[in-house]
Amino acid sequence: DAGVIQSPRHEVTEMGQEVTLRCKPISGHNSLFWYRQTMMRGLELLIYFNNNVPIDDSGMPEDRFSAKMPNASFSTLKIQPSEPRDSAVYFCASSGVEDGMYEQYFGPGTRLTVT
Amino acid sequence: SQQGEEDPQALSIQEGENATMNCSYKTSINNLQWYRQNSGRGLVHLILIRSNEREKHSGRLRVTLDTSKKSSSLLITASRAADTASYFCATVNNDMRFGAGTRLTVKP
Repeated sequence: DAGVIQSPRHEVTEMGQEVTLRCKPISGHNSLFWYRQTMMRGLELLIYFNNNVPIDDSGMPEDRFSAKMPNASFSTLKIQPSEPRDSAVYFCASSGVEDGMYEQYFGPGTRLTVT
Repeated sequence: SQQGEEDPQALSIQEGENATMNCSYKTSINNLQWYRQNSGRGLVHLILIRSNEREKHSGRLRVTLDTSKKSSSLLITASRAADTASYFCATVNNDMRFGAGTRLTVKP
C-alpha cells in the first residue's frame, strides 16, 4: 500500500487566493483526519470524518476553512481566502478503526506558505 | 488544543545511551499513544498503551503508564543516530490530542 497520499507537497500562494489541499487515505480505512502543525500551536486537529461523514469540525479555525470527503478515497481541505497566518504544514491521516482513536497513519504533509 | 505535555522539550544524548521522555495529561483517557516525527515528514505511530495497562514493550521501546499520576514515559534503549526525531504523546478519550513533543538528538 502506498500509504496516505497528499498533494501538493508544497504550496506557495498569495494572500487572498484559494488553496485546495488533497488527501487520499489508505484503502479500506474509514476514518480520515486533517491536522495543522505550526511551531507556535503544535499539532492541531482541524476536522475528522467517519465513513465520509464529518464528525467533529470544532477545530476548524474559521469559515474560511472547509473540508469535504465526497467518497472513501478522497478528501479536500480548502482555504478561501487564504491569509499569511494560515502558513503551516497540513497533515492528513487515516485510520482503519471507525472512531479513529487507535493507530493513525499520517501522510507526508503539505507545506503551505501564504505571502 | 493540546492535552499531553511532553518533558523535556529537547533532549540530546550520545549513541548507545538510553533516552527517556515523559508525558503528563490532565483528564481521564481511553488510551495513550506515542508517535515519532522525522524532520519534514508525517508522524509515525510507535506504540499504544491502554488505560488498564501499566507497561508495554516494542523492540527497543518501553512505555509505562501511571493513570493515578496521569503520566506516561517512553524509554528508548541503546539509542541510535537514526532515533533523532521529535516524539509526541497523544491522549485519547473522546478525541485524540497531541502534546507539543520532545525533540531528541542522538549524537553518533
